[in-house]
Amino acid sequence: GESVGLHLPTLSVQEGDNSIINCAYSNSASDYFIWYKQESGKGPQFIIDIRSNMDKRQGQRVTVLLNKTVKHLSLQIAATQPGDSAVYFCAGSSGYSTLTFGKGTMLLVSP
Amino acid sequence: NAGVTQTPKFQVLKTGQSMTLQCAQDMNHNSMYWYRQDPGMGLRLIYYSASEGTTDKGEVPNGYNVSRLNKREFSLRLESAAPSQTSVYFCASSDFPRITHEQYFGPGTRLTVT
Repeated sequence: GESVGLHLPTLSVQEGDNSIINCAYSNSASDYFIWYKQESGKGPQFIIDIRSNMDKRQGQRVTVLLNKTVKHLSLQIAATQPGDSAVYFCAGSSGYSTLTFGKGTMLLVSP
Repeated sequence: NAGVTQTPKFQVLKTGQSMTLQCAQDMNHNSMYWYRQDPGMGLRLIYYSASEGTTDKGEVPNGYNVSRLNKREFSLRLESAAPSQTSVYFCASSDFPRITHEQYFGPGTRLTVT
């Protein structure tokens, strides 16, 4: 099966800093990755995704980097804001309709 | 366009009671999913339905049954609830393989079994 996990359970940053959340995966057949944000009491919300034929993808204030050599991906959030405080999950898929989720990293942004 | 809706939002059951969690999506998606989320854990897949008329087990199916009633609705049933099933349950849908793997999530059902 596929295993997707995270290095850091909690990340604390100051408002305005850049944040980097890391994720490792074990299945080299994984061809699609996605990052979700989950605020307290809510369901996960899509942030950004990336296919395995890419190594970088940018969105609004967010960038996902994929390093297939070491089976690692990261989510970078620029100019972190208090509203970014949430739990962030990475998930991966190897061609099927299902996603395998990591355990999550809590991002705490202080003013 | 409500997206994915779930009912109820909260539920308390006694051990041995049964209940059905309801989920509906209005995005005409083919695939639907049920997850559970426990404190400090990621989302674990219980069951999924890749298309209307099919269901498959996920990572943690024991103690649950599902029904894909039609393209819109996918229900999760606990026949005899146990305290170990205390969790937050999320339903999701996606248009895989037509578009992407992106899954859209409902707001969750918080279930406590005493």
